[in-house]
Amino acid sequence: DAEITQSPRHKITETGRQVTLACHQTWNHNNMFWYRQDLGHGLRLIHYSYGVQDTNKGEVSDGYSVSRSNTEDLPLTLESAASSQTSVYFCASSEGSYSGNTIYFGEGSWLTVV
Amino acid sequence: KQEVTQIPAALSVPEGENLVLNCSFTDSAIYNLQWFRQDPGKGLTSLLLIQSSQREQTSGRLNASLDKSSGRSTLYIAASQPGDSATYLCAVRLLSGAGSYQLTFGKGTKLSVIP
Repeated sequence: DAEITQSPRHKITETGRQVTLACHQTWNHNNMFWYRQDLGHGLRLIHYSYGVQDTNKGEVSDGYSVSRSNTEDLPLTLESAASSQTSVYFCASSEGSYSGNTIYFGEGSWLTVV
Repeated sequence: KQEVTQIPAALSVPEGENLVLNCSFTDSAIYNLQWFRQDPGKGLTSLLLIQSSQREQTSGRLNASLDKSSGRSTLYIAASQPGDSATYLCAVRLLSGAGSYQLTFGKGTKLSVIP
């Protein structure tokens, strides 16, 4: 079965370190997204991509970057981790062109910045 | 800016009861609305997707309705079971513009079904 996987599932890092969260999907979807989920804020969009070499900023993109070198992967990098970036991060994907398609989520990556 | 609100934030019901979860959104120019389920420590699972031209969608004991003009959607769960306990989120996709493939989420309703 096609799926979307995130790694690591749990990570503790120190303030100021660079951290990369991996996201890999096997659906061959064009659209990929990164969200963070925090109590009181719900899910907020960080970055998204509509295809290879395409990346766009979302609502809360400061301090984060992504790159899309192939269809399957959209890694999320925290350039210099801050305590405010302690959160649960979800990667998601959907088919391209038809915006009515269902979006599929990964299981999440729990990140703690100390 | 699109805002999505879900009321109540938490709901506790006895097993077997029928229940309704509410979702409202401020911008009626949407492509679709999606209902998700999230179990503790897990990702989101899509339950129902309603296109803007549709009024409702059904899957098993779940029925979702959409009234675009009033900016409202409801998720009806029939004969609730303890296994239905989870957080339910709704999300809307905007009709046009650079954000047309993005979703705006509500904060969810945490449902507890008591045996």
